[in-house]
Amino acid sequence: DQQVKQNSPSLSVQEGRISILNCDYTNSMFDYFLWYKKYPAEGPTFLISISSIKDKNEDGRFTVFLNKSAKHLSLHIVPSQPGDSAVYFCAASANNFNKFYFGSGTKLNVKP
Amino acid sequence: KAGVTQTPRYLIKTRGQQVTLSCSPISGHRSVSWYQQTPGQGLQFLFEYFSETQRNKGNFPGRFSGRQFSNSRSEMNVSTLELGDSALYLCASSLDPTGTQPQHFGDGTRLSIL
Repeated sequence: DQQVKQNSPSLSVQEGRISILNCDYTNSMFDYFLWYKKYPAEGPTFLISISSIKDKNEDGRFTVFLNKSAKHLSLHIVPSQPGDSAVYFCAASANNFNKFYFGSGTKLNVKP
Repeated sequence: KAGVTQTPRYLIKTRGQQVTLSCSPISGHRSVSWYQQTPGQGLQFLFEYFSETQRNKGNFPGRFSGRQFSNSRSEMNVSTLELGDSALYLCASSLDPTGTQPQHFGDGTRLSIL
């Protein structure tokens, strides 16, 4: 039962433009969400998080938006850079537990 | 600040054997979680340890077990290895077990079963 879904396996964006990565979830109890970036042969690197009491969190070029009614979150990267090319995972947890559910990932390719 | 350290990075075993993987969390982090990553199933939660106690467990058979030591270092053990256990095993640490702090991952142990 996939409680966190990333329906786009890949995304290609031109350097300097905006990258928008999407994530949907089914469990209404999820209250903490994370985005990770993963390069080959490395572990996931934490990017940004958001609590369910907020609908937006911004950190430099990265902004995460949360739409609780739609059970949807998105990661915006502006401007996109070639070094952003990686696989991006969203993850969610519920009820103050450290058990995170991960999406299947979206491979972002930023073209120079 | 040193990150999460996992050893070994690569491991080759045969069916029926057992294996122990090690994880040293970021200094000061007391919660350690383990995940299995496979191409078909993605990242799946195995278990979490805090204060040497297992707090959460995923949907994996009893062949998968773990423990945590007083210095927060953790090990996971897989017994009677099966071909399907071939995967990347990732360890993540966080400051506390509340689920309100980000988890920071190591680079994983790539386990191959022949």
